[in-house]
This record gives sequence, structure tokens and C-alpha cells, in this order.
Amino acid sequence: DAGVTQSPTHLIKTRGQQVTLRCSPKSGHDTVSWYQQALGQGPQFIFQYYEEEERQRGNFPDRFSGHQFPNYSSELNVNALLLGDSALYLCASSFSPTTGQETQYFGPGTRLLVL
Amino acid sequence: DQQVKQNSPSLSVQEGRISILNCDYTNSMFDYFLWYKKYPAEGPTFLISISSIKDKNEDGRFTVFLNKSAKHLSLHIVPSQPGDSAVYFCAASVGNTPLVFGKGTRLSVIA
Repeated sequence: DAGVTQSPTHLIKTRGQQVTLRCSPKSGHDTVSWYQQALGQGPQFIFQYYEEEERQRGNFPDRFSGHQFPNYSSELNVNALLLGDSALYLCASSFSPTTGQETQYFGPGTRLLVL
Repeated sequence: DQQVKQNSPSLSVQEGRISILNCDYTNSMFDYFLWYKKYPAEGPTFLISISSIKDKNEDGRFTVFLNKSAKHLSLHIVPSQPGDSAVYFCAASVGNTPLVFGKGTRLSVIA
């Protein structure tokens, strides 16, 4: 059973560029959440996608956008990159039940360095 | 304002002894709590969770205790093994809202 996969594993960009990160959820999961983890910090929630729509969003600017495809995979796009966007970007998937809590399972992350 | 706090950045424990990792939270509405373990160059791995209707949940060597009145939870690992050396994150949520994470505690288990 394949877990959550992310690509690429590492990426180097320069300020002002745009980047697209990709995520495939764990089999059977329909919800994808994206997190940013800066050095020495816990993961910070960016947004969550369910049924191809953004369901919830954290405190991140509009430069951060996303998409979910019919097969539940997802992309995270960041425009006009800043040095402060350098971080580990984590994708987590879950199954969204109608009631109860969901346990999120994380991928290995994409390490983004902005120069 | 940090809603989930892990006040110990690091912890060292002898192999075979108990490891106790602590987490405090400020939002009394949190109803679901999770612990994740993270190795370098990997994503967080789900360890164990607890709902606010319980005060203890066990899974093998891992036990999570929840004290709602103190807004405190702890993760006990018994016995500790060298492979347990990792960064441990506490996370919490309200209903289906996003997970809120602490900053993590680095556990070193010394052989």
C-alpha cells in the first residue's frame, strides 16, 4: 500500500520565481492538506483540499495557491518567491468522514530553497 | 500566540528507561490530539492519538495521557529504544479544523 508521495524531493529557486509542488495521497484518502515547516518550527497549515475545492485555509498570502485533481492528487503553487519561503513543504492525506476526527498521514516533504 | 506548546526542545533518556514527552495547549475547544515522530529527511509519522472523551490511550510501547483540566498531554515510551531517537510533535484540532502543531521535542535515546 503506497503511502503519501511528494515530488520533487528538493528544489532550488531564486527570488521572484514560481514553483509547483506535487502530492499523491495514500490509497483510499480523498482529502489533501499542505503544511509549511520552517527550521526549528512545527508544521504550519497552508490549506486543505476536498472534492477538488479548497475547504480551509491558514494564514498564508494569496501567493500560495493549490489545486486538487479528480484522482485526489494535489499541487501547491507559490508565486513571486521570497527568501522566507525556504522551508520543508509537507503534504498530508486523510479520509474525510462525515463525523469524527481524521488522522492525517504525511509524505516525505519537498525541501525548497529560495536564493 | 502559540496554542500548542512543547516546552522542552530536547530530552535524553537511557535505553530501556521511560521517555516522557510533554505538551500543553491553551484552546479548551481542542477535542483531538495526536503525536507524530519525525526522522531527518522524512515526513512526520503518525504514532498515536487520543480523543478528548478519553484520558488514556495505549498502543504497544506508546501511551498518551490527557489531562483536560490542566490542558496537558504527555507521551510515554516504555521501554525506550535507540530507534526512538527522533523529533516528536504534538498536534491538536477542533472537529475537522486543521491540525495545530507544537515546535517539537528532540528525543535522544542513549544505548
